[in-house]
Amino acid sequence: GNSVTQMEGPVTLSEEAFLTINCTYTATGYPSLFWYVQYPGEGLQLLLKATKADDKGSNKGFEATYRKETTSFHLEKGSVQVSDSAVYFCALGSYGNNRLAFGKGNQVVVIP
Amino acid sequence: DAGVIQSPRHEVTEMGQEVTLRCKPISGHDYLFWYRQTMMRGLELLIYFNNNVPIDDSGMPEDRFSAKMPNASFSTLKIQPSEPRDSAVYFCASSPGLAGGPQETQYFGPGTRLLVL
Repeated sequence: GNSVTQMEGPVTLSEEAFLTINCTYTATGYPSLFWYVQYPGEGLQLLLKATKADDKGSNKGFEATYRKETTSFHLEKGSVQVSDSAVYFCALGSYGNNRLAFGKGNQVVVIP
Repeated sequence: DAGVIQSPRHEVTEMGQEVTLRCKPISGHDYLFWYRQTMMRGLELLIYFNNNVPIDDSGMPEDRFSAKMPNASFSTLKIQPSEPRDSAVYFCASSPGLAGGPQETQYFGPGTRLLVL
């Protein structure tokens, strides 16, 4: 079945540092891939998405490229801010299966 | 649009009591999802509806949990009787279309934080 794997553990980094969060997936067919972000005390909200191979999703300075050859969708941001502190979830959806498969999430803490 | 609305935002109850969580999806969205989030298990899909009809309830943990969607603008998740292990944040989400389709994004509510003592 469909599944998403995110790197283990929280990520702590300094303001203006480069952020990478790894996400790999297993799926049949041609899934869509998402990154959702959850700010403290709030629900998840879509950060970006990509619907086919080689597509790049981008929003708020974050980017992720759908790599079919490596089954990956890593999230990157070149210069993080304290306001980027949140939990980031990678997710996968495939046509005909309405269950979005979520990764376990990564807590990102940006220190001033 | 007001987004997905959930109530209450916080609920504290005692073991054995009935708990009802409420959700109003975004108008025009055909799909509604209930999730549970805990530190141990992460984000779990409990059940989802399409056009008010339950489609997949395989994630509902046991018979103590039930969900209804009497109309397109309202859904409830009920726990009866509640137990301490039900303590979690419960999210409702809605989506305009099928996953993998052109309108697949799920929009989440702010969640209900449930504590069962």
